[in-house]
Amino acid sequence: AQTVTQSQPEMSVQEAETVTLSCTYDTSESDYYLFWYKQPPSRQMILVIRQEAYKQQNATENRFSVNFQKAAKSFSLKISDSQLGDAAMYFCAYSPSGSARQLTFGSGTQLTVLP
Amino acid sequence: DAGVIQSPRHEVTEMGQEVTLRCKPISGHNSLFWYRQTMMRGLELLIYFNNNVPIDDSGMPEDRFSAKMPNASFSTLKIQPSEPRDSAVYFCASSHRENQPQHFGDGTRLSIL
Repeated sequence: AQTVTQSQPEMSVQEAETVTLSCTYDTSESDYYLFWYKQPPSRQMILVIRQEAYKQQNATENRFSVNFQKAAKSFSLKISDSQLGDAAMYFCAYSPSGSARQLTFGSGTQLTVLP
Repeated sequence: DAGVIQSPRHEVTEMGQEVTLRCKPISGHNSLFWYRQTMMRGLELLIYFNNNVPIDDSGMPEDRFSAKMPNASFSTLKIQPSEPRDSAVYFCASSHRENQPQHFGDGTRLSIL
């Protein structure tokens, strides 16, 4: 079974600074998808960024980028120029390719942005 | 485009009562997922449908839980009888194609007294 591990229950960053959230996963598959979702206090689940395992290039979405290390099964999220609105719980998630596309989530990292 | 719509947003009921949660996926999406979020267990997949057919319900905790998708635009998750340990936030999500990400509804916060 696939597992996703987020070893940092809480992180904090100063506004305008950069922070990196860690995620590791375990799978025997060679093709899969990885995601970062953000959950603010409003409890919405908002997709931040996704990575396809067969792509070597790291995904980037504006201030958000990932460091995908397939061999190490590591998928970290970097947030640059942190803003107060980035404060939220961040979940790393794994999805296999093929017909079974359910998400397996990590336990989450609570990010606090300090003014 | 309208996102995934869940109702009710909050539900408070007494132990033993039947609870029905509703979900309208994004139009054109052919896969629908029900998740449960608790402090103890985090986010867990309960069941998912593909083209209205249940594909994997191994996450459904007990026979008290049932889910249906009578058509492409509507799904229900029912708990009967409800118990205090069922208190959680229940999310519905949908996706369009195999390589497309899931879009989540705002969730239903369920409290069983």
